[in-house]
Amino acid sequence: DIQMTQSPSSLSASVGERVTITCRASQSISSFLNWYQQKPGKAPDLLIYAATSLQSGVPSRFSGSGSGTAFILTISSLKPEDFATYYCQQTYSIPLTFGGGTKVEIK
Amino acid sequence: QVQLVESGGGVVQPGRSLRLSCAASGFTFSTYGMHWVRQAPGKGLEWVAVISYDGSDKYYADSVKGRFTISRDNSKNTLYLQMNSLRAEDTAVYYCAKFIAGSGYMHWGQGTLVTVSS
Repeated sequence: DIQMTQSPSSLSASVGERVTITCRASQSISSFLNWYQQKPGKAPDLLIYAATSLQSGVPSRFSGSGSGTAFILTISSLKPEDFATYYCQQTYSIPLTFGGGTKVEIK
Repeated sequence: QVQLVESGGGVVQPGRSLRLSCAASGFTFSTYGMHWVRQAPGKGLEWVAVISYDGSDKYYADSVKGRFTISRDNSKNTLYLQMNSLRAEDTAVYYCAKFIAGSGYMHWGQGTLVTVSS
């Protein structure tokens, strides 16, 4: 099974700050990497697919980069509505696996 | 618009069974692979199972293999998850999700809570 490791597990940031979240795969997954945002009590929302493609309707302050085993989600300027938990997911092979999540909190 | 509505959750004793349903609308259900994903209280997301568009292929997480069965009825636009021999560690919100190859889970249901407790 492919293990997905996210870091950090949590972070505190201020509105307007640039935030980066890292996701590492235990083996190469090419670009089969998605990012989701989840708010409390809600289902996750797809932000980025295929490592770098922005899902329709997602603000351009979100971006994804990387390939192979190392990936980054960047929020260029944090907005109040971005405080949430973020998950990466590999869809390279079954079982599909998620990272442990990164909780972005208000500083 | 795409809608996925789960039902069937509840409180069940360890060792008992439960069947979840996911009613789909707003898209051609019979042409998409469908997944179940769960989330234990306060924990992260865990993939559970997948079924191909026509039901011919099914795969499971090791944690549920042999106990859970995924199925679908394309005539009813409905996805199912039969859960047998339930354990306390199966307690979670269960989501159904529509999967698009190369794009991930673009649509999710609202989730249904399963609590396994005596």
